[in-house]
Amino acid sequence: EIVMTQSPATLSVSPGERASVSCRASQSISSHIAWYQQKPGQAPRLLIYGASTRATGVPARFSGSGSGTEFTLTISSFQSEDSAIFFCQQYHDWPPLTFGGGTKVEI
Amino acid sequence: QVQLVQSGAEVKKPGASVKVSCKPSGYTFTGLFIHWVRQAPGQGLVWMGWINPNSGDATSAQKFQGRVTMTRDTSIGTAYLELSSLTSDDTAIYYCATSLSPYLTFWGQGTLVTVSS
Repeated sequence: EIVMTQSPATLSVSPGERASVSCRASQSISSHIAWYQQKPGQAPRLLIYGASTRATGVPARFSGSGSGTEFTLTISSFQSEDSAIFFCQQYHDWPPLTFGGGTKVEI
Repeated sequence: QVQLVQSGAEVKKPGASVKVSCKPSGYTFTGLFIHWVRQAPGQGLVWMGWINPNSGDATSAQKFQGRVTMTRDTSIGTAYLELSSLTSDDTAIYYCATSLSPYLTFWGQGTLVTVSS
């Protein structure tokens, strides 16, 4: 099973700042990674798939990069409504689909 | 638009079983795979398995094999997750999600299952 490790666990940012979340895979997953945003009391929302393709309706300030084992989700100019927990997920070698432990990004 | 509506919260005793339903709308029920994911309080996301509503073929994660059953009823366009031999560790929100690809595009609202004596 591929293990996904996210860092940091918690990230504090100011409005307008750049925020970056990292995800490392235990083996190469090519570009087969997705990112999700989960706000309190809500289901996760797909942000990015294929490492860098934004899902429908996702603002352009969200971007994804990386390939192989190292990936990054970047919020270019953090807005207060972006506060949430972010998860990465690999779909290169499944079952099982596996998720990272999550990164809480807050103001 | 695509929506997935799940059944309501459940409270179960240890050793019991629970069955959660997921009713998609906005697309042809047999056209997209349905995945099940759970999230314990304050914890991360754990994939439980998936079902092809067209064929009924289902695969569960090894962690849950022997305890989980995924089924569907095409006549009413509903998918089901049943988990047996419940313990307090199964207290979680259970989500269904759907997509053509193995990243999860659309999610249900979640069903809270509480296991308590």
